[in-house]
Amino acid sequence: GAGVSQSPSNKVTEKGKDVELRCDPISGHTALYWYRQSLGQGLEFLIYFQGNSAPDKSGLPSDRFSAERTGGSVSTLTIQRTQQEDSAVYLCASSFSGRYGYTFGSGTRLTVV
Amino acid sequence: DAKTTQPPSMDCAEGRAANLPCNHSTISGNEYVYWYRQIHSQGPQYIIHGLKNNETNEMASLIITEDRKSSTLILPHATLRDTAVYYCIVRVEGSGNTPLVFGKGTRLSVIA
Repeated sequence: GAGVSQSPSNKVTEKGKDVELRCDPISGHTALYWYRQSLGQGLEFLIYFQGNSAPDKSGLPSDRFSAERTGGSVSTLTIQRTQQEDSAVYLCASSFSGRYGYTFGSGTRLTVV
Repeated sequence: DAKTTQPPSMDCAEGRAANLPCNHSTISGNEYVYWYRQIHSQGPQYIIHGLKNNETNEMASLIITEDRKSSTLILPHATLRDTAVYYCIVRVEGSGNTPLVFGKGTRLSVIA
C-alpha cells in the first residue's frame, strides 16, 4: 500500500481482556517496528522484525506482550490480560531493510478501562 | 538511551526560519544524524538525515558542524502546520538491528 496501515484506530477494552493490534507495512519493506507512546510521553520501542531473522524483543515491557509477523508482511501485537497502564498509542513503522527513514502509521489508541 | 540533547521547546514566528539545534557530542564516525517530527495525534514523520555534509530536501535543511558534535535543522519558512515535536536521533546507517531511539525532542510552536 501507499503507507503503513494500522487497525483499529481506536480500541477500548476492559481490564483483564486480551487485545490484538494489526499493522500492514509498506509493500517491500522488510523491517517492521512497534513503539508505544503513553499520554504526554516519548516513544518507547517495543519490538523489531527484520526479514527472516529472529525478532528483537528487548523492548517488550512484560510477558503479557507478544508480536508476530506472518509471511514477512502483516504484524500483530497482542497484549494479554490488559492493565490500565497499557493505555497508550501503539505505533507501527516499516522501512526498507532497516535503512534510511521509517514510515510510521497513524497508530492505535488503546484505552483500558 | 538518547545520545542527543535538544531544547525542550522553541517558538518561531510564522514565515520566519525555524532553527532547531541538537547536540550529539559523543557521535561515532559511522553514525548518521536523523530528524523526525511528530504532529499532534499523528505518527512521527521522517524529515531528513545526513552524515557530515549539509543536506537539503523539500522539507528542510540539515547543517552539521565540521566536528559533527552538533547540528541544526532549518525550516526556511515556518508555517502553522510545522508546529510539532522535533526529534534529533543518531544512528548507524544500515544497522538493521538498531531501532531508532527517540528522546524527548523539541516542541516547536509556530506563532501567527
